[in-house]
Amino acid sequence: DGGITQSPKYLFRKEGQNVTLSCEQNLNHDAMYWYRQDPGQGLRLIYYSQIVNDFQKGDIAEGYSVSREKKESFPLTVTSAQKNPTAFYLCASSRGPGTSSTDTQYFGPGTRLTVL
Amino acid sequence: AQSVTQPDIHITVSEGASLELRCNYSYGATPYLFWYVQSPGQGLQLLLKYFSGDTLVQGIKGFEAEFKRSQSSFNLRKPSVHWSDAAEYFCAVGANFGNEKLTFGTGTRLTIIP
Repeated sequence: DGGITQSPKYLFRKEGQNVTLSCEQNLNHDAMYWYRQDPGQGLRLIYYSQIVNDFQKGDIAEGYSVSREKKESFPLTVTSAQKNPTAFYLCASSRGPGTSSTDTQYFGPGTRLTVL
Repeated sequence: AQSVTQPDIHITVSEGASLELRCNYSYGATPYLFWYVQSPGQGLQLLLKYFSGDTLVQGIKGFEAEFKRSQSSFNLRKPSVHWSDAAEYFCAVGANFGNEKLTFGTGTRLTIIP
């Protein structure tokens, strides 16, 4: 079955530690996204990538980093510089540019990060 | 810049009753509009989308939405809700050219009472 996987489902980290969240898709999509979700605030875009080896900052990129070395993978690192990292993180993908503008985004199941 | 407003934070309806969730958007041209549903602790599932054409859009699980340009709205409706519809619903807007970014509303939490 095609889809998006995120791991782990739950993640705990101590303050001052970096942590990497995994996102993999087998939909052959060019574009991938990372969102952060907090209660009452909806989804906020952290980073997005429209093609391999290229990515752009979203609305709340400070304290986060990403890489896009492979089409199917878009890991997110939450660094110690992120002041309030406890949140639910969602990864998404879409067919990307060159197919149609603003294509449908499909979401993974999410990772809940808790900083202790 | 585009924006989305979902004015209702929380709605409670009885099982079998009709439902309407409100969504208002701000965008300078014809937008692309989406409704997603999220169960607790899960990812988002696409219910329906509007790109162009017929302004009444049918989606999965018996949902529909109507695009009204004059009111900048894209309200989600269902004639008879089921207990399994309890979830959080998000409206999103995207540009209609060269921009893959979506802007999401803050969501409406739906509670179903027997």
